[in-house]
Amino acid sequence: QQQVRQSSQSLTVWEGETAILNCSYENSAFDYFPWYQQFPGEGPALLIAIRSVSDKKEDGRFTIFFNKREKNLSLHIKDSQPGDSATYFCAASANTNAYKVIFGKGTHLHVLP
Amino acid sequence: GALVYQYPRRTICKSGTSMRMECQAVGFQATSVAWYRQSPQKTFELIALSTVNSAIKYEQNFTQEKFPISHPNLSFSSMTVLNAYLEDRGLYLCGALDREAGQLYFGEGSKLTVL
Repeated sequence: QQQVRQSSQSLTVWEGETAILNCSYENSAFDYFPWYQQFPGEGPALLIAIRSVSDKKEDGRFTIFFNKREKNLSLHIKDSQPGDSATYFCAASANTNAYKVIFGKGTHLHVLP
Repeated sequence: GALVYQYPRRTICKSGTSMRMECQAVGFQATSVAWYRQSPQKTFELIALSTVNSAIKYEQNFTQEKFPISHPNLSFSSMTVLNAYLEDRGLYLCGALDREAGQLYFGEGSKLTVL
């Protein structure tokens, strides 16, 4: 059973559009949800994260919308740039086991110029 | 800011030989370091959690005999893949836990290719 699900394996948008990456989870104990950005040949870099007490977290062009009742969240990338083309992993962990991060399978974002 | 450095970035080794990788946290105290492996199919597996002054906790399917870990201080950890075979291929990631911020920061990864 996959505990963190990303609805799309791949997403393509045009430069300047808003890319929306969706994620859902199973375990109600999860209370911390980081998104990682990974470029080919590199490790995943922490992009933005939200705790379950919040329903929105914004950092520049990146915004997480979180719905605790529905157990889903989404990452919005405003004004997408070709340099945003990467694989984005939605992840989750519980405060009691903060190191044990459960990753989704990733969404590969292509931003076309 | 918080940074995690990992080296070597990539290693090619012969089947049955070993590879050691190192992880250094800069800008915060890495009381705990979690070692992960990302498979060629991009899925992540937690190998073990190492906490300074505590026993290392290995996940199911991973053992100290195969993946010995050292975590001597708050900024450095190392892991060795002993007797590497094809199934050990992947990107090995060190995740250093910044407990104050409650964030897990990953290094760039050490890619292991086994011939």
